[in-house]
Amino acid sequence: NAGVTQTPKFRVLKTGQSMTLLCAQDMNHEYMYWYRQDPGMGLRLIHYSVGEGTTAKGEVPDGYNVSRLKKQNFLLGLESAAPSQTSVYFCASSRGPGNTIYFGEGSWLTVV
Amino acid sequence: DAKTTQPPSMDCAEGRAANLPCNHSTISGNEYVYWYRQIHSQGPQYIIHGLKNNETNEMASLIITEDRKSSTLILPHATLRDTAVYYCIVRVDNQGGKLIFGQGTELSVKP
Repeated sequence: NAGVTQTPKFRVLKTGQSMTLLCAQDMNHEYMYWYRQDPGMGLRLIHYSVGEGTTAKGEVPDGYNVSRLKKQNFLLGLESAAPSQTSVYFCASSRGPGNTIYFGEGSWLTVV
Repeated sequence: DAKTTQPPSMDCAEGRAANLPCNHSTISGNEYVYWYRQIHSQGPQYIIHGLKNNETNEMASLIITEDRKSSTLILPHATLRDTAVYYCIVRVDNQGGKLIFGQGTELSVKP
């Protein structure tokens, strides 16, 4: 049982490049989330999903897109990366409200 | 969304109980209080959660006041490895049950 796995763990992008972060969970969870964390700050919610084929905006959705084509995967895309998107990205999943939310180990993204 | 207020930092002596307070005066009746901690830049680690009653597990105890406007996380015998940022979060029941993080409390356990 791997829990929540994020790929890649580290990436350096040039401004304007695109990339996709993959989050995979093997716990058959309905709910999945993408957060970002900037230095010295708490986590901020980017987008979330309450089931396969559904997505919704969080606190800071601009500049990101997401897709949940399969229940176990939640993809976070940056279409045109900007230096302001340099951050640590965390994925999380949960069975539903009232249940524990489990986090991945993070993906470090630097945009130069 | 209900917000939480925590002290920015606290110290605790190793082996003593660490009591971390949290204020959530605007909490709604069906919203849970969750506690997570984050060590360095690792992924947040779940500690405990509760709705109305006090809760205890192998890591900690959660004391929620009767009016639910505040709570306290208790680490009964703090160790150096408990040094971390602790987040008290009121979980929104709708909108995907999302967690909205505040700034947390930076707990330093000292020898």
